[in-house]
Amino acid sequence: SAVISQKPSRDICQRGTSLTIQCQVDSQVTMMFWYRQQPGQSLTLIATANQGSEATYESGFVIDKFPISRPNLTFSTLTVSNMSPEDSSIYLCSVEVGWGGTTNEKLFFGSGTQLSVL
Amino acid sequence: GQQVMQIPQYQHVQEGEDFTTYCNSSTTLSNIQWYKQRPGGHPVFLIQLVKSGEVKKQKRLTFQFGEAKKNSSLHITATQTTDVGTYFCAGYQEGTALIFGKGTTLSVSS
Repeated sequence: SAVISQKPSRDICQRGTSLTIQCQVDSQVTMMFWYRQQPGQSLTLIATANQGSEATYESGFVIDKFPISRPNLTFSTLTVSNMSPEDSSIYLCSVEVGWGGTTNEKLFFGSGTQLSVL
Repeated sequence: GQQVMQIPQYQHVQEGEDFTTYCNSSTTLSNIQWYKQRPGGHPVFLIQLVKSGEVKKQKRLTFQFGEAKKNSSLHITATQTTDVGTYFCAGYQEGTALIFGKGTTLSVSS
């Protein structure tokens, strides 16, 4: 298992500003994932962050808008830049924890950051 | 693109009634996972199914993976108020990231 500390848990921000969300894991993990969950919606993957390389972004998400840092194997940040009300959402970090076999691993999630942009 | 469809979007039941949510993929999945998200909480892993036709049980919850590995279901027997939340299926296709369905939100009245 993995314990993930994510902060802030919530924030209210002004249009045009930026917010950096931090995610700390209690063990070393290869990949960390950042998801967005809009109200009443499913989880959409923003990007995958590997330590020592640039993050890989999914279609519809760009580095200028969502820069990601991954300085070591236990920590990552996601910045939501130049925010608009459309960015109001819950942002979740997650990590894979495997069984050591060939099947895909399960995800553990942080508690999420609820962002409201005015 | 790859899609994972999940129905129904919402379901309300009386305590003690059964509940089922269904998940369908447009492509064959290498495996499927189920998560539960309580109101105000974050998704929590429930189970993973890998084999064609696989059936797994966790107390009152029964999970099935279709023979073609394109569909799955979660069935809850005799729901309780503690079952409330949103249930997500999520599927892996080879070489892709986990794709989440839109979820089924279950409410239970006593």
